Amino acid sequence: DQQVKQNSPSLSVQEGRISILNCDYTNSMFDYFLWYKKYPAEGPTFLISISSIKDKNEDGRFTVFLNKSAKHLSLHIVPSQPGDSAVYFCAASLAWGGSEKLVFGKGMKLTVNP
Amino acid sequence: AAGVIQSPRHLIKEKRETATLKCYPIPRHDTVYWYQQGPGQDPQFLISFYEKMQSDKGSIPDRFSAQQFSDYHSELNMSSLELGDSALYFCASSLGGTSGSGGETQYFGPGTRLLVL
Repeated sequence: DQQVKQNSPSLSVQEGRISILNCDYTNSMFDYFLWYKKYPAEGPTFLISISSIKDKNEDGRFTVFLNKSAKHLSLHIVPSQPGDSAVYFCAASLAWGGSEKLVFGKGMKLTVNP
Repeated sequence: AAGVIQSPRHLIKEKRETATLKCYPIPRHDTVYWYQQGPGQDPQFLISFYEKMQSDKGSIPDRFSAQQFSDYHSELNMSSLELGDSALYFCASSLGGTSGSGGETQYFGPGTRLLVL
């Protein structure tokens, strides 16, 4: 049973436009969410995170939005750049009182075209 | 800044052989996590250690064992290797573990690609 879901396997956007990556989760106990970017033959690189007590966190071109009632989060990248082309994983954990192991979605391949 | 180091980066083994993967966490990080990523799959949690004690266990086969040493590096020992063990093995480290501080970001190493023939 996939507790973290990234339902779109891929997304293609034009350079300079906004990329919106979506993620849904089923376990209401998750309280910490992260986005990782992964290039082939490399480990996941941490991008941005958000605690369940917030609904938005921004870091440069990256913004993560959390809608707890809908169990949904999204990553916005604006403006998108060709170097952003990679596989993006959404991950969740039980940060408080849990093991903090990460549960990952299946990933989404983002392609930013020049 | 120093990152998580994993060795070896690539490993080829035959069925029924053993393998040892090593992970060196970011300096001062006290928690290590191991994940397995099969082809086209998402990373799956195997096991974690906080302050040299096992803190959580996921879908790790009984043929696998791991430990964290006094210098906080960790080793994943895999015995009786099977074809299905071929995967990318990632180690991640964080500061704080299950101390209840909440929301400690995990930083990943480059992974070890294991191929079992």
